[in-house]
Amino acid sequence: DVKVTQSSRYLVKRTGEKVFLECVQDMDHENMFWYRQDPGLGLRLIYFSYDVKMKEKGDIPEGYSVSREKKERFSLILESASTNQTSMYLCASSPGERESGELFFGEGSRLTVL
Amino acid sequence: GQNIDQPTEMTATEGAIVQINCTYQTSGFNGLFWYQQHAGEAPTFLSYNVLDGLEEKGRFSSFLSRSKGYSYLLLKELQMKDSASYLCAAMDSNYQLIWGAGTKLIIKP
Repeated sequence: DVKVTQSSRYLVKRTGEKVFLECVQDMDHENMFWYRQDPGLGLRLIYFSYDVKMKEKGDIPEGYSVSREKKERFSLILESASTNQTSMYLCASSPGERESGELFFGEGSRLTVL
Repeated sequence: GQNIDQPTEMTATEGAIVQINCTYQTSGFNGLFWYQQHAGEAPTFLSYNVLDGLEEKGRFSSFLSRSKGYSYLLLKELQMKDSASYLCAAMDSNYQLIWGAGTKLIIKP
């Protein structure tokens, strides 16, 4: 079975802390994505990557960075967490072709910043 | 701008049929996707339409009209397990998915 695993389901952090969200996929997919999901809003793309060591900004990259050192792992970093980054974070992957919109999602990481 | 509209919430009865509508405006178009998301779980892919018409997959069907910027997801013989949010997403000319806010479907016995 296809699997995308996110390291933490629930996190509580303080304002100003550095936060790492890890995502690992076991499907040998080229493409990986980080989204945030907030009530009443559609999924918003933070960053994505089409290959190892490549990264591209999505719609809302401010306050975030990413790392993709290995094909299977895509990390999201909040350098200095703020309360407006309280959200559900979803990692997803998809196979090679960019036009593949069939994404495989992880279970999500619910981050609360106090 | 790019925009996806779908109803916030719908209620239907077990065993009945429900249609969830989605309208989209995107810069270019490379397909329309529907995902299902149960509360507290990951979204899962349901369907993909890029040509006009109806695609049927078991109890679920998805329809697309490119000229109208319109799609719907049709769920037949509703079951309690169909209670979930249904997310509509359109792929733009850059192959990026533009997501709607989702429709929460409540099934009553």
